[in-house]
Amino acid sequence: GAGVSQSPSNKVTEKGKDVELRCDPISGHTALYWYRQSLGQGLEFLIYFQGNSAPDKSGLPSDRFSAERTGGSVSTLTIQRTQQEDSAVYLCASTREGEGRDNEQFFGPGTRLTVL
Amino acid sequence: SQQGEEDPQALSIQEGENATMNCSYKTSINNLQWYRQNSGRGLVHLILIRSNEREKHSGRLRVTLDTSKKSSSLLITASRAADTASYFCATPTGKLIFGQGTTLQVKP
Repeated sequence: GAGVSQSPSNKVTEKGKDVELRCDPISGHTALYWYRQSLGQGLEFLIYFQGNSAPDKSGLPSDRFSAERTGGSVSTLTIQRTQQEDSAVYLCASTREGEGRDNEQFFGPGTRLTVL
Repeated sequence: SQQGEEDPQALSIQEGENATMNCSYKTSINNLQWYRQNSGRGLVHLILIRSNEREKHSGRLRVTLDTSKKSSSLLITASRAADTASYFCATPTGKLIFGQGTTLQVKP
């Protein structure tokens, strides 16, 4: 079956503009994660959706960042009034979580965001 | 703060040599996972070791886990140029938390 897909693969925007990044998880995966990775750095956790539970938003760096997951499937990460420091690769991952499962994550190819 | 921390941060070896990367974590875990990342894009799951396991093999990969020291190591034997990548350990604490990674360069 298809893996995790993300769109766009690259996005160049001007400072102050809003951007939307999309993630299509693997069908049947109940959990979805967003991460941010700056050049040469590790993964910074942003937000985590699990089933119908309230999302864990503890990693969102500011109120300019928001995310939603519609129908337990596709997720959109929105960054409002983008700043240059928002430039990074945004990675999405999904997993089939649940009791007794190992929570292996499957990653999408990422969206490279450049804010000019 | 990061749950997993890898060392070294960077490692450069010749093709054919073995590469060892270490990971330390802070809290109790059910399992520890290693991932590889090429060219700053999506990560690929390599291997998972459960808390009741001490060692696990997968092809040229060997992972060890010492829960008393809260540490794990990833050994890549007979390295190849294609192994050049960043390697991350990750531990699930509700959500999966990644370390900063080890950048491995294998010179042909």
